[in-house]
Amino acid sequence: AQSVTQPDIHITVSEGASLELRCNYSYGATPYLFWYVQSPGQGLQLLLKYFSGDTLVQGIKGFEAEFKRSQSSFNLRKPSVHWSDAAEYFCAVGVGGFKTIFGAGTRLFVKA
Amino acid sequence: GAVVSQHPSRVICKSGTSVKIECRSLDFQATTMFWYRQFPKKSLMLMATSNEGSKATYEQGVEKDKFLINHASLTLSTLTVTSAHPEDSSFYICSARDLAGASYNEQFFGPGTRLTVL
Repeated sequence: AQSVTQPDIHITVSEGASLELRCNYSYGATPYLFWYVQSPGQGLQLLLKYFSGDTLVQGIKGFEAEFKRSQSSFNLRKPSVHWSDAAEYFCAVGVGGFKTIFGAGTRLFVKA
Repeated sequence: GAVVSQHPSRVICKSGTSVKIECRSLDFQATTMFWYRQFPKKSLMLMATSNEGSKATYEQGVEKDKFLINHASLTLSTLTVTSAHPEDSSFYICSARDLAGASYNEQFFGPGTRLTVL
């Protein structure tokens, strides 16, 4: 079955510290992978995506993610977190029929 | 970039009434749009896939007669919550695929509609 797992319900990091949000997927074919960010009461904004090619992808706002096929992972990273990064982050995989399956989300808290 | 709008952004209605939510692709044509429902502090649940000119495809467990979807043009899909009840209160988000653009496998999301049924 197709699924996306985000093991961390919430994470707290200090401003300026590095960040890594974990994402594991289960999908039989080559996945299309996405990370989205959602601020309270808002829609989703695409941070980055992986379709093929270089397994390290760069996104907006200084985020990057690395696709590791052997680990079925697509972890999101940022070297230095800003207070404005506090939000909900969703990992997603595009499956057949162009549907998208979302993980449960990870809430990021940033402390001063 | 591709922009998707939703209207209204929030709506409050009485139990038993029907509410229509619009989803528009502003600068591209979308043959396929998707409707999601998001419960508080939860992930997005796909409700249905809306295809222009044909019937929507509903996910298992979603009531077709409750959530009516119409995709009458390449830029507009509507979700009507019929005879709304408090348990229908939620955040509804639509998305659209841009077949003509380079982002073929990507969906563009609207800002969402907060529905509160009293």
